Amino acid sequence: DTAVSQTPKYLVTQMGNDKSIKCEQNLGHDTMYWYKQDSKKFLKIMFSYNNKELIINETVPNRFSPKSPDKAHLNLHINSLELGDSAVYFCASSQKVRAEAFFGQGTRLTVV
Amino acid sequence: GNSVTQMEGPVTLSEEAFLTINCTYTATGYPSLFWYVQYPGEGLQLLLKATKADDKGSNKGFEATYRKETTSFHLEKGSVQVSDSAVYFCALRASQGNLIFGKGTKLSVKP
Repeated sequence: DTAVSQTPKYLVTQMGNDKSIKCEQNLGHDTMYWYKQDSKKFLKIMFSYNNKELIINETVPNRFSPKSPDKAHLNLHINSLELGDSAVYFCASSQKVRAEAFFGQGTRLTVV
Repeated sequence: GNSVTQMEGPVTLSEEAFLTINCTYTATGYPSLFWYVQYPGEGLQLLLKATKADDKGSNKGFEATYRKETTSFHLEKGSVQVSDSAVYFCALRASQGNLIFGKGTKLSVKP
């Protein structure tokens, strides 16, 4: 059983489109995160939710909107995609805010 | 603010060589420290962690000791294998729970 799963694994789309990336964790964790990894492998936090409540919202364009329908899911919706959005997006979860984080396999987004 | 600095790569070693990847941090207080590994085409996996000063984290032959005097958490392995080829990330946990990562160090081990 995959602990943190993201779909899709690869996403190729045109500029201007709207797309969503889904994330689900079956670990019973109450905190979930989205990280972005750029072409140089640098990882940076985007959002964090604890019990469906947004607790971290870094300087991210408001075209990016996270949605947490329940504790096990944290989806990322991106409007009006731009070339610079191309990256690998990682979902992660932890039992509590200060516990070890488990990462998904990543979603490689390519905007053409 | 919080930050993590780790040695620039890539690092290329022969099998059975000794590995050190340096990592230093800047933080308020004493955050938990982590090393994550990313194998090609995969997500991040926790390699080891340390939650307080002088703690030593270890896993799969890798070790790192939390040194508050030098604000360091260097990763070491006595004898690397080809299968250790990956990108290694040092990270600290910020007060809000998110991880702050270094820029990653790519390790290539040649047979």
